[in-house]
Amino acid sequence: DSGVTQTPKHLITATGQRVTLRCSPRSGDLSVYWYQQSLDQGLQFLIQYYNGEERAKGNILERFSAQQFPDLHSELNLSSLELGDSALYFCASSSGDANEKLFFGSGTQLSVL
Amino acid sequence: GNSVTQMEGPVTLSEEAFLTINCTYTATGYPSLFWYVQYPGEGLQLLLKATKADDKGSNKGFEATYRKETTSFHLEKGSVQVSDSAVYFCALRGSGGSNYKLTFGKGTLLTVNP
Repeated sequence: DSGVTQTPKHLITATGQRVTLRCSPRSGDLSVYWYQQSLDQGLQFLIQYYNGEERAKGNILERFSAQQFPDLHSELNLSSLELGDSALYFCASSSGDANEKLFFGSGTQLSVL
Repeated sequence: GNSVTQMEGPVTLSEEAFLTINCTYTATGYPSLFWYVQYPGEGLQLLLKATKADDKGSNKGFEATYRKETTSFHLEKGSVQVSDSAVYFCALRGSGGSNYKLTFGKGTLLTVNP
């Protein structure tokens, strides 16, 4: 168990809908990362937060947004969903130090029908 | 920008065979290099890392050496087990700045048969 909790584990929705994925980092970790994993693109970095502030942005679509709350949990919001958004979404956390390893949650499997 | 290229899978081996999964990278400066492993239905776990040239990371019988001259970080294990069946990801973290995100390769699926 990595200590990172992601909910829900599975999500099935329709095109055009909006969903929210939730992540609780490991106790004490200040940094949260979101990654998207798909068969064709592999693991793509979406966004990073550190202690409530956005730290880095990757290949995140404008339809997607995220935030980190004062209790350090994070939410990833996906709107106007398209079939191509179907993927496994991972959250990871770390203490925020340069060489600290990332601890990954088990992911949320999103299926857009 | 930074990028990681690892060998396409899937790789299928018999138990006790020798394993090599190739990984090369493109980055400026002195990145840190990692191998992560993903077992079925789970998130990624750090397997080993190396933070400077010529460092060797090792864990659970797996090894990888940071080769700056060839920009490579190949993963090796002398004798694989069925329990090593998983997807292996090579990754790098760029040097400098406050952005500690990891850039991953596409992953290599390893299946070890008894």
